[in-house]
Amino acid sequence: EVQLVESGGGLVQPGGSLRLSCAASGFTFSSYPMNWVRQPPGKGLEWISYISSSSGTITYADSVKGRFTISRDNAKNSLDLQMNSLTAEDTAVYYCVRTRYSSGIHPDYWGQGTLVTVSS
Amino acid sequence: QSVLTQPPSVSAAPGQKVTISCSGSSSNIGNNYVSWYQHLPGTAPKLLIYDNNKRPSGIPDRFSGSKSGTSATLGITGLQTGDEADYYCGTWHSSLSDLWVFGGGTKLTVL
Repeated sequence: EVQLVESGGGLVQPGGSLRLSCAASGFTFSSYPMNWVRQPPGKGLEWISYISSSSGTITYADSVKGRFTISRDNAKNSLDLQMNSLTAEDTAVYYCVRTRYSSGIHPDYWGQGTLVTVSS
Repeated sequence: QSVLTQPPSVSAAPGQKVTISCSGSSSNIGNNYVSWYQHLPGTAPKLLIYDNNKRPSGIPDRFSGSKSGTSATLGITGLQTGDEADYYCGTWHSSLSDLWVFGGGTKLTVL
């Protein structure tokens, strides 16, 4: 069974930093690209970052570019998101999401999410 | 504002059919595959449809997807109260700044 478990969320002050982690199990982690997707309170889903299976390709949404860094450790089956210079607009539930290639490419399995609240 | 446009809400009675639309452009839906997700608050979003019209294992055939040009549609037949959730479309977006984009979400109410 595919499992993605996020951790590291919490309350942080504006301008602060936070590091999220995602522990993956139930599949060959090193074979799959991964993403972070977030959902601000009362709003829709927003994709924020992608990392290929080998970490060779990394992309970010404009909203987080230059502030967030995605990384993975295939030996430890883990995905991280380092978030710096946080603002209130970064308050959201953050999801770790696996990507699968088929005829196209699509996110398939999602974690339960971890809540990040940026507030003074 | 989302790159993909969905109606904010739809509703129908139990047992009835509902469709949810997702409108985009040639930069996204027009040249890429669409997927659909069901999201109940407090839970992990679930993949319902991928590659426009394929269902993952375990997803009942009450759920269907289609695509035409720059629009896609999710259909749900035999509505159940348990289908009440938010539904999102998503696709690859070919631009310098975006990779994957979602619609704004549609709240389905089963009356």
